[in-house]
Amino acid sequence: NAGVTQTPKFQVLKTGQSMTLQCAQDMNHEYMSWYRQDPGMGLRLIHYSVGAGITDQGEVPNGYNVSRSTTEDFPLRLLSAAPSQTSVYFCATSRTKNRVRNQPQHFGDGTRLSIL
Amino acid sequence: TQLLEQSPQFLSIQEGENLTVYCNSSSVFSSLQWYRQEPGEGPVLLVTVVTGGEVKKLKRLTFQFGDARKDSSLHITAAQPGDTGLYLCAGASGNTGGFKTIFGAGTRLFVKA
Repeated sequence: NAGVTQTPKFQVLKTGQSMTLQCAQDMNHEYMSWYRQDPGMGLRLIHYSVGAGITDQGEVPNGYNVSRSTTEDFPLRLLSAAPSQTSVYFCATSRTKNRVRNQPQHFGDGTRLSIL
Repeated sequence: TQLLEQSPQFLSIQEGENLTVYCNSSSVFSSLQWYRQEPGEGPVLLVTVVTGGEVKKLKRLTFQFGDARKDSSLHITAAQPGDTGLYLCAGASGNTGGFKTIFGAGTRLFVKA
């Protein structure tokens, strides 16, 4: 059971470079989201999607783009990397878009990104 | 802006001790979740509490949701080294139909053998 798969696990970029963090899920979950985790700040929501073709901004969306062309994939794009984007990035999914009862989120193991 | 504040930030105890960690907010949440995260991995859900005053038990872990649904606590009885990890509380933001989840900064627990 793969669950939520994030690639790559580690990446080092130079300032100004662009890259895409991949997230794939095999659970047919409607809801997918991206978080960044920084020391002392917990997880902060970057973007989320409630279904294919639908995305919206989270708490800290600047400098990131997302798209959701299929149910399975939700890539996160860094347009022009900056040192402030050094972080650990987590992708998470929930079974349905109904978040009122705070359905469990299933997390990948993260991508550790360093921007020099 | 809804915030979740967790305390303490860091806790180091001996095996066998009891402990309580807290998650507080000035806002009302429809439900709160507790996750545990181990190094190099993503958070894993422990429990969801949905009713004010609710108490849930998971083996040696006891979770309580405040009567006003603004706070929650996690009590661990007779802590073991396997309990070591980062404990995160999370709540659905009520301002956007519950689509945005807010996480606290976490309590990092270290249990020494």
